[in-house]
Parts: sequence; C-alpha cells; structure tokens
Amino acid sequence: QQPVQSPQAVILREGEDAVINCSSSKALYSVHWYRQKHGEAPVFLMILLKGGEQKGHEKISASFNEKKQQSSLYLTASQLSYSGTYFCGTEEGTDKLIFGTGTRLQVFP
Amino acid sequence: GAVVSQHPSWVICKSGTSVKIECRSLDFQATTMFWYRQFPKKSLMLMATSNEGSKATYEQGVEKDKFLINHASLTLSTLTVTSAHPEDSSFYICSASPFGGGTLNTEAFFGQGTRLTVV
Repeated sequence: QQPVQSPQAVILREGEDAVINCSSSKALYSVHWYRQKHGEAPVFLMILLKGGEQKGHEKISASFNEKKQQSSLYLTASQLSYSGTYFCGTEEGTDKLIFGTGTRLQVFP
Repeated sequence: GAVVSQHPSWVICKSGTSVKIECRSLDFQATTMFWYRQFPKKSLMLMATSNEGSKATYEQGVEKDKFLINHASLTLSTLTVTSAHPEDSSFYICSASPFGGGTLNTEAFFGQGTRLTVV
C-alpha cells in the first residue's frame, strides 16, 4: 500500500519553512526522500535507516519516528531551487522502493 | 555516484505497435533493476522488478504480457510495451542500485526516464 504524504501541496515565499509528512500503515525498514522536477528523474535527498534517526543535509533535514511508520522532511529558509515534487520512498523489507503520494512545493520570490 | 542511462528519452508511436525502452547501468553491475510508471501529476508506481537471468516480478495489476521485461545482462534491462494504446502513454523510468540486490538500505539511482506517447 502506498504511503500517504501530507500536505498534498505547499506554497512558500523564499525564506519560509515547510514540513512534509510521510505515513505508512506498516513498520518500515527505511525511508528515502527524493525531489523531482517536472519531466525529470527523482533526485535523492537522503535515507533514514533507524527508528528515531534524524539526518540533515544543508537546510533540509528529516526524521524517522521510533515506531518506524512515519517520517518528516523539514525544509528551512526555502530557496527557489527547492520547488518541485517531494516523494518519500519506503521499504517494508521487500527490497523494493514504494513511493508516497507526493507533495508539490512551490517557492516564490 | 552511480550512473543509470535510459533510452530513448521520448518516443511517439502508433497505436498497436510495440516500443522498447532500455535501461543501462554504466559503471556498475545491477542484478536487480526496477521499472516505474508515472502519470502526469501522480506518483511513481512500481511496475516490476527486473532480475538478471530470471523472470521479472510484476506488481499486482500490471499485465505481464503487455509489459515485457528482459534482463539479459548485468548492465541492461529492457521494457517492451507491446500493442501500445493511448492509455499506455506515460513517463516510464527505471532505477538500480550498485550494491547488489534491490534498494534495501541503499540509494536508488534513476535513469532519465522515457516519455511515451501513443497516438
């Protein structure tokens, strides 16, 4: 079953923050986060492997909750280049990546 | 990082014809590759897992006879859309991991994607 992301869409001004959530009905082995621009391949942001793990990547960070069924992506001081659609990718131990429903982010000057 | 190349980037074909899409791992060997399909403004939906030297594993609801997958070498997987119809028009994209097997605990590397339009 496909993980559910919220919100479905976010509109920001440059410099504002956003949080994107990814929720699964099952316990997960890992969570991946990707950003996709229109017509392009997804770009890897980060992977979280352990429940309770938090990881940062410049102004983008993520957490993976203890029960390993939810993850959140944090975007701080957003830039125009952050615009795109964000997907979480989850693994339930089947060795394949299942993508979430997606969150469209638009950053305006 | 590892490089996955997909060809062609776009293709237009007539209804009823077949189209082959190639996915190559350029600097690593991939025993497993994955094929996804993405409709406009939708998520990437896993179609099948391509296994080198054996039959592909298809996700529920994906027609095996319509979407033929061949993984004849450790660097090449092909997806053939047979008897294509307008509803097959979509963005098809492959992925692989250089660490063997699937994407468990490792980053997935994606091809550039192929936009298929069936007229």
